[in-house]
Amino acid sequence: NAGVMQNPRHLVRRRGQEARLRCSPMKGHSHVYWYRQLPEEGLKFMVYLQKENIIDESGMPKERFSAEFPKEGPSILRIQQVVRGDSAAYFCASSPPRTHAEAFFGQGTRLTVV
Amino acid sequence: QKEVEQNSGPLSVPEGAIASLNCTYSDRGSQSFFWYRQYSGKSPELIMSIYSNGDKEDGRFTAQLNKASQYVSLLIRDSQPSDSATYLCAAYNQAGTALIFGKGTTLSVSS
Repeated sequence: NAGVMQNPRHLVRRRGQEARLRCSPMKGHSHVYWYRQLPEEGLKFMVYLQKENIIDESGMPKERFSAEFPKEGPSILRIQQVVRGDSAAYFCASSPPRTHAEAFFGQGTRLTVV
Repeated sequence: QKEVEQNSGPLSVPEGAIASLNCTYSDRGSQSFFWYRQYSGKSPELIMSIYSNGDKEDGRFTAQLNKASQYVSLLIRDSQPSDSATYLCAAYNQAGTALIFGKGTTLSVSS
């Protein structure tokens, strides 16, 4: 399956712990987007990355959240010192290496903070 | 942040009818527009993309774009119960660095 792969599918963290969410783009894609979706709400854009570069992080919270997309390996969304309000579905999408391209989503990571 | 707006619904149509979903966007520089379908508890699935003014047809789906009015629509012909889902409209910002989504319209097709 050459689709967008996210892991883990489900993640439970206690308040104050760190959460690491991983995303491997589709084959041939080098652009990655991260989104957060709260229950009964839409997809909120967080960040857009290309290999080794953050292109647009206008939707990222200023504190505790960071993202990277290294030259080798998956993209990582990192949430430090999680709080209950971070509980949500986090989706990654990837697109080919050109602007305004179609983006395809992974199955998401459901984060629960207890 | 630029916005994409949709009526939340629910939109209810009988089986076999045409469902019409609408979307407006605020960034006049947006160049590309997309419709995604999301079933409850699942991830968004791309169903249509449109880049030019006018209509684009793909099977039972027709996307319509009017850049002057900053308006995008999706028509679903011969609606089926399996089309019951939330439909998300999305548009890139002018720079193409952020794909912004509306909150979605919930469609319910009754048999």
